Amino acid sequence: QKEVEQDPGPLSVPEGAIVSLNCTYSNSAFQYFMWYRQYSRKGPELLMYTYSSGNKEDGRFTAQVDKSSKYISLFIRDSQPSDSATYLCAMSPNQAGTALIFGKGTTLSVSS
Amino acid sequence: DGGITQSPKYLFRKEGQNVTLSCEQNLNHDAMYWYRQDPGQGLRLIYYSQIVNDFQKGDIAEGYSVSREKKESFPLTVTSAQKNPTAFYLCASSVNSYGYTFGSGTRLTVV
Repeated sequence: QKEVEQDPGPLSVPEGAIVSLNCTYSNSAFQYFMWYRQYSRKGPELLMYTYSSGNKEDGRFTAQVDKSSKYISLFIRDSQPSDSATYLCAMSPNQAGTALIFGKGTTLSVSS
Repeated sequence: DGGITQSPKYLFRKEGQNVTLSCEQNLNHDAMYWYRQDPGQGLRLIYYSQIVNDFQKGDIAEGYSVSREKKESFPLTVTSAQKNPTAFYLCASSVNSYGYTFGSGTRLTVV
């Protein structure tokens, strides 16, 4: 079983739709949970991060972490064509000397 | 502006040749990382360094080597022992456990 599982999609939605992206994980030591957005042929950029369980909202984006279920989600409201990208979840146990573990990424396409 | 610079953007390698990918950061970050990205595979960790003159192997270190002689620089050498080097290589740096800043990547192709 891989440490982080993410459905690669692709996911296609019309403009204005609500998008739900998800990851599951197996390591209960993970404390930091992140979502990165990657446009084609570019490096990923940090979109949101959450420490432990709970929700975090930033504009049209909401990140949720449910540690009891080992499940994280990213919701995008009123999706725009500019949201078309690959979304990568990432996690860390917050231990010195460790690196982030990434999911495989979900490719999202928003059509106008 | 602070950031990470990767060069070159595109690189072609002949069979049996070693090539070096450059990664420079001016963010004053202690930690630096190299990831490899293949279609449908996500990001896989090659090497990382938490401090100058020290580095650790990641999940797929075989066929790669690194050095960390300066805080700002973390070059990656793809050796001839790496049998399938064609991929997109990403360098990152961080000051904490979660806030990675990535470079724009180097696309390596074997010819």
